[in-house]
Amino acid sequence: QQQVKQSPQSLIVQKGGISIINCAYENTAFDYFPWYQQFPGKGPALLIAIRPDVSEKKEGRFTISFNKSAKQFSLHIMDSQPGDSATYFCAATDYKLSFGAGTTVTVRA
Amino acid sequence: NAGVTQTPKFQVLKTGQSMTLQCAQDMNHNSMYWYRQDPGMGLRLIYYSASEGTTDKGEVPNGYNVSRLNKREFSLRLESAAPSQTSVYFCASSESYRGTNGYTFGSGTRLTVV
Repeated sequence: QQQVKQSPQSLIVQKGGISIINCAYENTAFDYFPWYQQFPGKGPALLIAIRPDVSEKKEGRFTISFNKSAKQFSLHIMDSQPGDSATYFCAATDYKLSFGAGTTVTVRA
Repeated sequence: NAGVTQTPKFQVLKTGQSMTLQCAQDMNHNSMYWYRQDPGMGLRLIYYSASEGTTDKGEVPNGYNVSRLNKREFSLRLESAAPSQTSVYFCASSESYRGTNGYTFGSGTRLTVV
């Protein structure tokens, strides 16, 4: 079974809106939580990552929020742009990466 | 700036045929991985090699074998292909097996087994 549960499976947002993707885990040994972005026909690429001793990390329009007690973390894409249309994977590692099922984000112009 | 190179990009096999997917990285990474990607399933680890000379099973190793030929190359072999192995296969590499500096992925091999 997947060790990292991701939702929603897909979402559509208007240009300028906020996209929110949620992930949950059970394994308390996980200590590094990256997000990967994948465009059609390409391999995933590291977007942003967080460690559990930090509650929030922001890089440009992308923010990870982390709730250690709830074992949940989320990706917020602010001011979503058509170029952000992609599939996003959350992941977690103890000694190797486990990926969520992915969220396909479509940004309408 | 090649990064991780996978060959072939596309392949169609008949049930029972065998083939080897090739992967090479030029970043002097120690660890290499093979994942398969299926709709709604995300990326599932097939095999990994934490360092040259070692290989270990991931979540879905059945029907596959791997060889870490040297530090640069990590191949995935399907001995007797089955339709359930129709998928997109990604090779990745990282500096360390924990991947805390990120994984670098290849562009994938789209395999269809008929």
